Amino acid sequence: KAGVTQTPRYLIKTRGQQVTLSCSPISGHRSVSWYQQTPGQGLQFLFEYFSETQRNKGNFPGRFSGRQFSNSRSEMNVSTLELGDSALYLCASSGFETQYFGPGTRLLVL
Amino acid sequence: DAKTTQPTSMDCAEGRAANLPCNHSTISGNEYVYWYRQIHSQGPQYIIHGLKNNETNEMASLIITEDRKSSTLILPHATLRDTAVYYCIVRVGFSGGSNYKLTFGKGTLLTVNP
Repeated sequence: KAGVTQTPRYLIKTRGQQVTLSCSPISGHRSVSWYQQTPGQGLQFLFEYFSETQRNKGNFPGRFSGRQFSNSRSEMNVSTLELGDSALYLCASSGFETQYFGPGTRLLVL
Repeated sequence: DAKTTQPTSMDCAEGRAANLPCNHSTISGNEYVYWYRQIHSQGPQYIIHGLKNNETNEMASLIITEDRKSSTLILPHATLRDTAVYYCIVRVGFSGGSNYKLTFGKGTLLTVNP
């Protein structure tokens, strides 16, 4: 069974731009969660989508948003990028027993 | 979700067993113990989870004390590729949870030495 895939793997943007990251969950998984990882804050939960509905949200500003499609694929968007948004963005797909992570998208904001 | 306490770092010799402890004294009856690891700059990798009984899979063994207030992850024959940050997380099971959020602490940096 294929794992969680994320695209792109690396991205460089400049302040003020926006970015869209994509995640394809494990086949059959209906839940997709997003996390941000930075050296200072560690791994932090952004939000979770289940059957196209946002079910849970972390403590991040409204510039961070997401959506989920009917095939369970998910995208997250960050608008008006700030230098502090430079991070590893991780997507995780959840099944019956546990949560599996993708390789992440490393975003660098200049 | 219950809070966990892990040592900041540990060393282990290659080929020896690595025993990583985790304290979770406030764990509730319906909460599981999950272990993940993260090799530098990669996504966290699921290792194992358990509720009460000891569990074993191809990667590791999980030993949970009878009072469930602590657990130990055992990598039976550590290799250099096992060098990673290991996270112990306590939460309700995914099948019955209303959300699938995982709360990560700082974990234990395990360094396997040749």
